[in-house]
Amino acid sequence: DVKVTQSSRYLVKRTGEKVFLECVQDMDHENMFWYRQDPGLGLRLIYFSYDVKMKEKGDIPEGYSVSREKKERFSLILESASTNQTSMYLCASSSTVNTEAFFGQGTRLTVV
Amino acid sequence: GEDVEQSLFLSVREGDSSVINCTYTDSSSTYLYWYKQEPGAGLQLLTYIFSNMDMKQDQRLTVLLNKKDKHLSLRIADTQTGDSAIYFCAETHSSASKIIFGSGTRLSIRP
Repeated sequence: DVKVTQSSRYLVKRTGEKVFLECVQDMDHENMFWYRQDPGLGLRLIYFSYDVKMKEKGDIPEGYSVSREKKERFSLILESASTNQTSMYLCASSSTVNTEAFFGQGTRLTVV
Repeated sequence: GEDVEQSLFLSVREGDSSVINCTYTDSSSTYLYWYKQEPGAGLQLLTYIFSNMDMKQDQRLTVLLNKKDKHLSLRIADTQTGDSAIYFCAETHSSASKIIFGSGTRLSIRP
């Protein structure tokens, strides 16, 4: 059974903290994605990676960075968390362009 | 740029058909998807259609694609309470790796 696992379901962090969101997939997928989901805005792409150590900015990369040191792991980093980064964060992976993306269960991050 | 649009809410009576609509702007879209998100969960792929197809049927689900109007719809026959969820339309194409999602349509079922 295919699996994308996000390290936390819920996180509460303080403004200014550095936050790491981890995502691991066990399907040997090349592509991995980080989205944030906000009511009425759908899923907005933050960053994606199509190979180890490769990354590309999505639509809303400001305030975020990513790391992909190993094929199975894609980390999202909030360098200095702010309250407007309170959101649901979804990680996904896919094998090649134009095939199904598999999603993790999401991490609900609250920045106070 | 690419854009995918959906209405935010749909309410249907149990047993009726639900039709969720989506429009997209990228004429080079290759794959169009419908994802379902149940409360507290990630997204799961319901069905997809290639851009060279007009229709795809899978049990209670029917996907219609009007490529000329860039309009995609998902019909759920005999809607049940378990169909309550947010439904996302998404598209991708061969020149990019990223998948573009719509805002999602929240389907609620009334008795």
